[in-house]
Amino acid sequence: AQSVTQPDIHITVSEGASLELRCNYSYGATPYLFWYVQSPGQGLQLLLKYFSGDTLVQGIKGFEAEFKRSQSSFNLRKPSVHWSDAAEYFCAVGANRRGDYKLSFGAGTTVTVRA
Amino acid sequence: DAGVIQSPRHEVTEMGQEVTLRCKPISGHDYLFWYRQTMMRGLELLIYFNNNVPIDDSGMPEDRFSAKMPNASFSTLKIQPSEPRDSAVYFCASRTGTSGSDSYNEQFFGPGTRLTVL
Repeated sequence: AQSVTQPDIHITVSEGASLELRCNYSYGATPYLFWYVQSPGQGLQLLLKYFSGDTLVQGIKGFEAEFKRSQSSFNLRKPSVHWSDAAEYFCAVGANRRGDYKLSFGAGTTVTVRA
Repeated sequence: DAGVIQSPRHEVTEMGQEVTLRCKPISGHDYLFWYRQTMMRGLELLIYFNNNVPIDDSGMPEDRFSAKMPNASFSTLKIQPSEPRDSAVYFCASRTGTSGSDSYNEQFFGPGTRLTVL
């Protein structure tokens, strides 16, 4: 079964600074990988996803993520953080297998943005 | 599209009472998922359906929990009797079942129902 680890529970970053959130996955083949964002009191919104091809994936809100097979990682980055990026971020992995549509989520990383 | 719709958004009930959470998936989506989110356990998959049929309910915590999907546009998650440890945010999500140029494996989440059991 697939699993995800997000090593950082909480990150504080200054507005305008860069942000990187770590995600490590465990899966025997090339997985489907996702980053979701959850603002307080809201549901989860998809930021970006990776299935195959170019390992650098662009998403919404200026986010990007890079798939590194050798490191089993899918880290999320943003060059310049805005105050509105304060939220909780979840990395998720899905099986690359027809009929298996379960997603396994990491524990999440809470991002605080200071002025 | 209106997205995934959940009701109620907030529910406060007393221990022992029956609680029913409702979900309307996005039209045309044939997979529906129920998740529970707590501080201690994070986001857990409870059950998911394909074409209204339960496929995997291994995440349902115990017999007090039950889920149904009587048709393609409606699902319920019921807790009877409810207990304080059931307090959590419950999310419903849906997705299409066919691989295509976009959105395969992407799940669209509803806003959640915050359940408080006193």
